[in-house]
Amino acid sequence: GNSVTQMEGPVTLSEEAFLTINCTYTATGYPSLFWYVQYPGEGLQLLLKATKADDKGSNKGFEATYRKETTSFHLEKGSVQVSDSAVYFCALSDDGGYSTLTFGKGTMLLVSP
Amino acid sequence: GAVVSQHPSWVICKSGTSVKIECRSLDFQATTMFWYRQFPKQSLMLMATSNEGSKATYEQGVEKDKFLINHASLTLSTLTVTSAHPEDSSFYICSAPDRGSKNIQYFGAGTRLSVL
Repeated sequence: GNSVTQMEGPVTLSEEAFLTINCTYTATGYPSLFWYVQYPGEGLQLLLKATKADDKGSNKGFEATYRKETTSFHLEKGSVQVSDSAVYFCALSDDGGYSTLTFGKGTMLLVSP
Repeated sequence: GAVVSQHPSWVICKSGTSVKIECRSLDFQATTMFWYRQFPKQSLMLMATSNEGSKATYEQGVEKDKFLINHASLTLSTLTVTSAHPEDSSFYICSAPDRGSKNIQYFGAGTRLSVL
């Protein structure tokens, strides 16, 4: 079956530091890959997605590239801000995200001034 | 953007009572909604798929009689935890895909259930 593995947190960074949150997956076929973000007290929000190999998803300064050869979808940001503090979930879907999503455990990011 | 409202955000109940959680799509219609359960430091685990006008589809290992799902309209799905026990304490999250928005799934803020 499908599975997603994320690095455990919390990840603690100073403002303007470089961020990487690792995500690898196991799936049959060619899934779509997603990063969701959950700010305190809010629901999960789609941050970015990629639907095929070598696609790069990007949003709000965050990027992730769909690497089929390494089955990875690592999240990166060049300069984090305090407002980026949240929990980040990597997820995959077999049908573009319409139906069920398989999530990683989530990685908490804490950014200090 | 589209919003999914989940209510209540936190509920405490006595063992043996039933608790209803509501999930509403506020500005789009959702023929399908999903209910997840999240344990501390764990992934969101899909419990069931709620289908408007028909029976819900439950994942393996989820008790249908314990977790009653009703999707009576295109904007509302409810999850009722019946005869709740302490082991049902968890964080429950709903989501709904918006077909008009390239199938992006929108999530509720979640409901924390504590059963005493």
